[in-house]
Amino acid sequence: DSGVTQTPKHLITATGQRVTLRCSPRSGDLSVYWYQQSLDQGLQFLIQYYNGEERAKGNILERFSAQQFPDLHSELNLSSLELGDSALYFCASSSPGAETQYFGPGTRLLVL
Amino acid sequence: GQSLEQPSEVTAVEGAIVQINCTYQTSGFYGLSWYQQHDGGAPTFLSYNGLDGLEETGRFSSFLSRSDSYGYLLLQELQMKDSASYFCAAPTGGFKTIFGAGTRLFVKA
Repeated sequence: DSGVTQTPKHLITATGQRVTLRCSPRSGDLSVYWYQQSLDQGLQFLIQYYNGEERAKGNILERFSAQQFPDLHSELNLSSLELGDSALYFCASSSPGAETQYFGPGTRLLVL
Repeated sequence: GQSLEQPSEVTAVEGAIVQINCTYQTSGFYGLSWYQQHDGGAPTFLSYNGLDGLEETGRFSSFLSRSDSYGYLLLQELQMKDSASYFCAAPTGGFKTIFGAGTRLFVKA
């Protein structure tokens, strides 16, 4: 158990819909990262937050947005969903100055 | 562009030693991490090299050579449970982290 929690574990929805994925980092970690992993693919970096502020942006679609709240939990919003958005979405957290990222169990999103 | 290249698959026998290579091309490089991911699971951290040389953690070791833009993960005394995907990862300029596409390790009895 990494200490990072993600909800929900599974999500099935239809094209055009909007969903929100939630992540709670490990206690004391200020950084939260979001990744997308499609079937048999590597991890694609989406976005990073540090202590409530956006720190880095990867290949995140305009239909996707995220935020980190004062209690440091983070949410990833995916809208106008397409079939190709079906993937595993991982959240990770790290402590200040550390390289190690601790990953949550992921949310498996299926868009039908 | 920025990338990390690693072999897609490696097969080895139980009890053997296997090396998974990673060559990188990134800006703002300052270290190489390795993660293990079992099917359906989350990536878990294995090792980090911030300096050139070898880092050893039990049966796993990792090596970095900045002059060659190259690193590797060495797994010794392979066990069936080591069958998984292994990813190298590096921070890039601007706090982004990029991951290699992953190497799928198959351990045979």
